[in-house]
Amino acid sequence: QVQLQQWGAGLLKPAETLSLTCAVYGETFSAYYWSWIRQSPGKGLEWIGEINHSESTNYDPSLRSRVTMSIDTSKNQFSLKLNSVTAADTAVYYCARGGKTMVQNYFDYWGQGTLVTVSS
Amino acid sequence: DIQMTQSPSSLSASVGDRVTITCRASQDITNYLAWYQQKPGKVPNLLIYATSTLQSGVPSRFSGSGSGTDFTLTISSLQPDDVATYYCQQYNSAPLTFGGGTKVEIK
Repeated sequence: QVQLQQWGAGLLKPAETLSLTCAVYGETFSAYYWSWIRQSPGKGLEWIGEINHSESTNYDPSLRSRVTMSIDTSKNQFSLKLNSVTAADTAVYYCARGGKTMVQNYFDYWGQGTLVTVSS
Repeated sequence: DIQMTQSPSSLSASVGDRVTITCRASQDITNYLAWYQQKPGKVPNLLIYATSTLQSGVPSRFSGSGSGTDFTLTISSLQPDDVATYYCQQYNSAPLTFGGGTKVEIK
């Protein structure tokens, strides 16, 4: 059974860097693309980007200048960094499993979600 | 970006009713359309992918149809357990985008 478990800081100040990590259990980690998705009351579900075991990445253009995704295949983990956060980045952040090709992915397994609040 | 527009934004129906939710894409996405169910306080759950393929374990009262720009999620007989918000998602091209959601309640 595939499980995604995520963690990271839940309260940030403006201009700080959001940092989240997602560990994958029970799955062939290298076979898939792994995504980050966020959900805020004002903007609904928003895809942030994806990464695979070869460190190929694809980011939403609106966030690309602030986003970095990385992967550690030895630990079956992938991570998200979003710098220069503002209140608009307040959301529940999810990690999720995509498919085996870049971009054309729906999400069949999700992490439990992490509420990140940006407030001074 | 491809915009995904869902309608209605909310609906209230009786147990046993047939419920239909519509999702319209701003451009042709062929059949690269998925549907998710999100119950209050829970994680989104994949219901349907490739427009009409039911994810394993999803009850057969859920079905999907459409192609191109217009898609539909149907619940053939609404059950109390179906109270949730439903989202469509296109995966034809990046950035992947979601609809705004349809909240389904029991009358």
